[in-house]
Amino acid sequence: EIVMTQSPATLSVSPGERATLSCRASQTVSSNLAWYQQKPGQAPRLLIYGASTRATGIPARFSGSGSGTEFTLTISSLQSEDFAFYYCQQYNNWPLTFGGGTKVEIK
Amino acid sequence: EVQLLESGGGLVQPGGSLRVSCAASGFTFSSYAMTWVRQAPGKGLEWVSFISTSGDGTYYADSVKGRFTISRDNSKNTLYLQMDSLRAEDTALYYCAKDAGSSFCIFDYWGQGTLVTVSS
Repeated sequence: EIVMTQSPATLSVSPGERATLSCRASQTVSSNLAWYQQKPGQAPRLLIYGASTRATGIPARFSGSGSGTEFTLTISSLQSEDFAFYYCQQYNNWPLTFGGGTKVEIK
Repeated sequence: EVQLLESGGGLVQPGGSLRVSCAASGFTFSSYAMTWVRQAPGKGLEWVSFISTSGDGTYYADSVKGRFTISRDNSKNTLYLQMDSLRAEDTALYYCAKDAGSSFCIFDYWGQGTLVTVSS
């Protein structure tokens, strides 16, 4: 099983600032990496797939990068609606696995 | 508009069984793979099971293999998860999610979840 490790567990950021979230895979997943956003009481929402492709309707302030075992989700200028949990997911191998999540909170 | 509506959750005793369902609408159900993902209270996301468009391909997390069975009825636009030999650690909100394609394993629409509680 590929273990996905996200860091930090919590990120405190002021509105308008940049947020950088990391996701590391225990073995290569090529570019088969997705990012999801989840707000309290809501279902997850797909943000990024293929490590760097934004899903339909996702604002340009969200960007993804990386390949192999190291990945980054960057939110260029945090808006109030961006404070949430973020999860990475690999789909290179079965079983599919999610990272433990990063909580982005208001500083 | 894509809609996924889970149902069938509830309280069940350890060792018991439960079947949860996911009614899909707003897209051609038979053309998309589907998956179940769960989230224990206050915890992160855990992938549970995946089924191909026709239902002949299924995959499971090790934690549920041999106890859970995923299936689908394309004539009824419905996804199922049969859960047997339930354990306390299976307590979670169970989401169904639509694959972005026939088998991309990227999930672009999610239901609101159905809560399964395993307790005596």
